[in-house]
Amino acid sequence: QSALTQPASVSGSPGQSITISCTGTSSDVGRFDLVSWYQQHPGKAPKLMIYEVTKRPSGVSTRFSGSKSGNTASLTISGLQAEDEADYSCCSYAGDSTWVFGGGTKLTVL
Amino acid sequence: EVQLLESGGGLVQPGGSLRLSCAASGFTSSSYTLSWIRKAPGKGLEWVSSTSDSGGGAYYAESVKGRFTISRDNSKNTLYLQMTSLRAEDTALYYCATVIAGTVYHWGQGTLVTVSS
Repeated sequence: QSALTQPASVSGSPGQSITISCTGTSSDVGRFDLVSWYQQHPGKAPKLMIYEVTKRPSGVSTRFSGSKSGNTASLTISGLQAEDEADYSCCSYAGDSTWVFGGGTKLTVL
Repeated sequence: EVQLLESGGGLVQPGGSLRLSCAASGFTSSSYTLSWIRKAPGKGLEWVSSTSDSGGGAYYAESVKGRFTISRDNSKNTLYLQMTSLRAEDTALYYCATVIAGTVYHWGQGTLVTVSS
């Protein structure tokens, strides 16, 4: 299983919107609508932000949204806030009870 | 509230063994698939292994197959990972997580495994 491909870093100013891409293959991202996104602050556990491509768990801000087209999923954060600065990782179910993660993207709020 | 508490990490020499534990609370662990996921220094998250809610199914990443064994004791709400033939590249923070309907959902805080001589 190869890792999903994410940009190493993205940045944006407060109030702006950013999008993080997550590219997989037809065996994972393209095959299953089971893409999730996690936010991780330094020294903290990952937190689920988006699941099943577009759904938000209870308590997650509506500023976070997800989408998918073909083998690429995306996470969009609108109205950037300082507390959004963190690492973001995508994950896709890959069949046969296996999962594959992306390499992670460091978001910097300028 | 779901809580997952990992333990058992530490420093081990290459070729050595270690057993990680994950105590679950706030839910009945037999209801969920449970997984181990790791994050090596400077690298992304990596799915390591999962076990089905009954414990009857065990699944492994190719990088650990044949060396790691996942198990669970639902009577104790505890997940385990027996790691043998450890290598330097197994050095990582190991997280325990629940899987709900195909999504890795809740995460523990992790336990650090360092493989070094």
